[in-house]
Amino acid sequence: SQKIEQNSEALNIQEGKTATLTCNYTNYSPAYLQWYRQDPGRGPVFLLLIRENEKEKRKERLKVTFDTTLKQSLFHITASQPADSATYLCALDILQAGTALIFGKGTTLSVSS
Amino acid sequence: GAVVSQHPSRVICKSGTSVKIECRSLDFQATTMFWYRQFPKQSLMLMATSNEGSKATYEQGVEKDKFLINHASLTLSTLTVTSAHPEDSSFYICSANPGQGSNSPLHFGNGTRLTVT
Repeated sequence: SQKIEQNSEALNIQEGKTATLTCNYTNYSPAYLQWYRQDPGRGPVFLLLIRENEKEKRKERLKVTFDTTLKQSLFHITASQPADSATYLCALDILQAGTALIFGKGTTLSVSS
Repeated sequence: GAVVSQHPSRVICKSGTSVKIECRSLDFQATTMFWYRQFPKQSLMLMATSNEGSKATYEQGVEKDKFLINHASLTLSTLTVTSAHPEDSSFYICSANPGQGSNSPLHFGNGTRLTVT
């Protein structure tokens, strides 16, 4: 079955540094991969989508890479701020179920000032 | 932007009772909605796909008679947890895709924290 691993449960960094989160997947070849942000007690909020034929995608201070050979995506937040503290989830499509997504457990990022 | 509203945000019920959770797409029509469940420090687990006007599709291991899903209109899906037990206590989140393509992002409600005593 498909498996998604976000191999850091928690990441603590100082304000201004770049946060790098990792998402690895096995037994699957997704057409695209998405990243979401989830704050405590709230639903996830979409951040970025990257397709299998794209190597990199940027949005303001966010950057996502997608390596289909390594079966890995990296999510970067540059010039991190305390407001970036949240749990970040990567998600893959399940084409067999339409647009449903399966999610990793998430990495909880804490940015200290 | 597309908004998904979920109600209630929190509910506490006694064991054996039923609880209904509503999920509404406020500014778009959703023929398909998705129900997820999330336990503390765990990933969102897809429970079922709610289809407007037809039966829901349940994921393996999810009891369809316990988690009743009704998608009677293009803007409303409901999840009813029947005969709730303490192990059903969890965070339930609905989502919908306002886009046309299968690669459009999902929009999520803010979740319902269910506590069964």
